Amino acid sequence: EVQLVESGGGLVQPGRSLRLSCAASGFTFDDYAMHWVRQAPGKGLEWVSGISWNSGSIGYADSVKGRFTISRDNAKNSLYLQMNSLRAEDTALYYCAKFGWRRTFDYWGQGTLVTVSS
Amino acid sequence: DIQMTQSPSSLSASVGDRVTITCRASQSISSYLNWYQQKPGKAPKLLIYAASSLQSGVPSRFSGSGSGTDFTLTISSLQPEDFATYYCQQSYSTQGITFGQGTRLEIK
Repeated sequence: EVQLVESGGGLVQPGRSLRLSCAASGFTFDDYAMHWVRQAPGKGLEWVSGISWNSGSIGYADSVKGRFTISRDNAKNSLYLQMNSLRAEDTALYYCAKFGWRRTFDYWGQGTLVTVSS
Repeated sequence: DIQMTQSPSSLSASVGDRVTITCRASQSISSYLNWYQQKPGKAPKLLIYAASSLQSGVPSRFSGSGSGTDFTLTISSLQPEDFATYYCQQSYSTQGITFGQGTRLEIK
């Protein structure tokens, strides 16, 4: 059974940093690209960042470019999101999602909540 | 970036109704269009991939069509469990993925 478990969320002041983690199991992690998708309270889904299976291809939404860094450790079956210079508008539930062969988000975690507030 | 525009943003319908949601891309995305269903407090669930292919386990009352820039999601006969928010998502640009703004389907 595929499982994606996010952690690392919490309350953080504007301008500070936070690192999210996603622990994956139930599939061959290093065969797949992985992504982060966020959802602000009461709002829609927003793609944040994605990383290919070997970290050779990485992309970011314009809203986080230069502030967030995605990475993965295939030996640990883990995905990360380093978030720097956090802003109030980064407040959201952050989902880790597996990117399947059909270019879909076929599995999602339950999300970790990041709240940016003073 | 490729912009995805869904319509309507909200919709009221009754059990048994046929419902159609549309999604338009700002440029051609071939058939790299997926549909998701999200219920309150839950992660999104994949319904349709590649514009018209039904994800395993999804009821056949859900269907998708379209290619290029215009796409539709149709629910042929609404069931109580179908009241949720629906999102389209393009994966033509795999490191510039975008979602539609969502369509909230409510009970009339």
